[in-house]
Formats: sequence, structure tokens, C-alpha cells
Amino acid sequence: GAGVSQSPSNKVTEKGKDVELRCDPISGHTALYWYRQSLGQGLEFLIYFQGNSAPDKSGLPSDRFSAERTGGSVSTLTIQRTQQEDSAVYLCASSGRGFNQPQHFGDGTRLSIL
Amino acid sequence: AQTVTQSQPEMSVQEAETVTLSCTYDTSESDYYLFWYKQPPSRQMILVIRQEAYKQQNATENRFSVNFQKAAKSFSLKISDSQLGDAAMYFCAYLIYNQGGKLIFGQGTELSVKP
Repeated sequence: GAGVSQSPSNKVTEKGKDVELRCDPISGHTALYWYRQSLGQGLEFLIYFQGNSAPDKSGLPSDRFSAERTGGSVSTLTIQRTQQEDSAVYLCASSGRGFNQPQHFGDGTRLSIL
Repeated sequence: AQTVTQSQPEMSVQEAETVTLSCTYDTSESDYYLFWYKQPPSRQMILVIRQEAYKQQNATENRFSVNFQKAAKSFSLKISDSQLGDAAMYFCAYLIYNQGGKLIFGQGTELSVKP
């Protein structure tokens, strides 16, 4: 079946603009995660959705970052008033119910802030 | 703080040889899972192997195996009979059972395979 799909693949924007990154999880997966990977670094957790529960937003770096998940499926990560330090690859993952279920990752969105 | 340390930024191995990537972690929790992910240039993270902390037996997946030392908080990955397709960034990560599903990642080890 189809894997996790992210769009756009690449995004270049000017400092101060808002951006939206989209994630389509694997059908039937109840959990969805966003991570950020800065150049040459490991992944940094941003936010986690599980079913209808309140999301875990503990990893969001500032109030310029927000995410929503509509209908328990597609998720959008929004960054307002982008800064150059926001430049990174943003990866989305989804998994089935249960913490022992492996997370399946998308190919990520490379965000470049000019 | 919960951290994962991969002390080898880069490693190199000859094709068909064996290589071991090291990983240590720091947590006071007792229930957690450990993972090794592979990230080729395509950027997609691919699960290589995982280990439940309550299991003493080391996990194996074909040419990939781990050496899990819970008391030492060490979780190394051994790749046997290395292949050119194994060249990638390798990330060690863990997940705390009662803290949701978020993975805590190390900084990664870039593995190159020489023909």
C-alpha cells in the first residue's frame, strides 16, 4: 500500500512568510508525528497526535509553530513568520495504535528560508 | 535530560566485512524501546531493527544484530557481510513507554562501504 506522503518535497520562502507543510499518513494509522532535522543533525520531536486525544505539543520550539490533524488523517504543520533558523527537513511519521508499533516515515519537506 | 549519544560521526567498512556502530542513552525509565533507523540520501527513515528493553535476548534481523547492555545503557548495531546498499546515515533512538510515542534520536553515524 501507499506509504506516508509529504508535500511539498521542497519549499523555498522568504523570511517572515508563513508556510504550511502537509502530511498524509498511512491509511488506518492512528498516530502521527512531526520531527525536524536540521543540517547534519538527528531528528528533533515536534508534535504527536494519537486518535482523538489532545496532541502532545511539547516539542514545538515556539508559538510560531502549530499543527492540526483533520478528521484523524491528514496533518498540516504551519510555521508563521518564518526565520532562517527554521530551515530544516521536516519529517512526518505515522504508526498503528500501541507504542510498540514502528513509525513509518515520509520523505520529508526540505524548507529553506532566504 | 533524556539523551542518545552516538560517538562515531563517521564509520567506514569494506564490502563483505563486519562493522559495529555504537550508541549509548540516558534515561531513568525502565520501560522503553530502542531502535536503529537508516537514512539514505533519499531522506526517508527506514527501520532497521528494534529491541524491547524488557527482553534480554538481543534482536536480530538478517545481517543486522544488536548488542543490548541494559545496565550500561548501551545499544550497538552490528552489520555483517556489509553491502554497498548499507551506506547511509544510521540513527539510534529510543521511545519511553509512558511518554507517548515520541522518539528521541542520536546525532547519527554516517556509514560508508568501500567496494
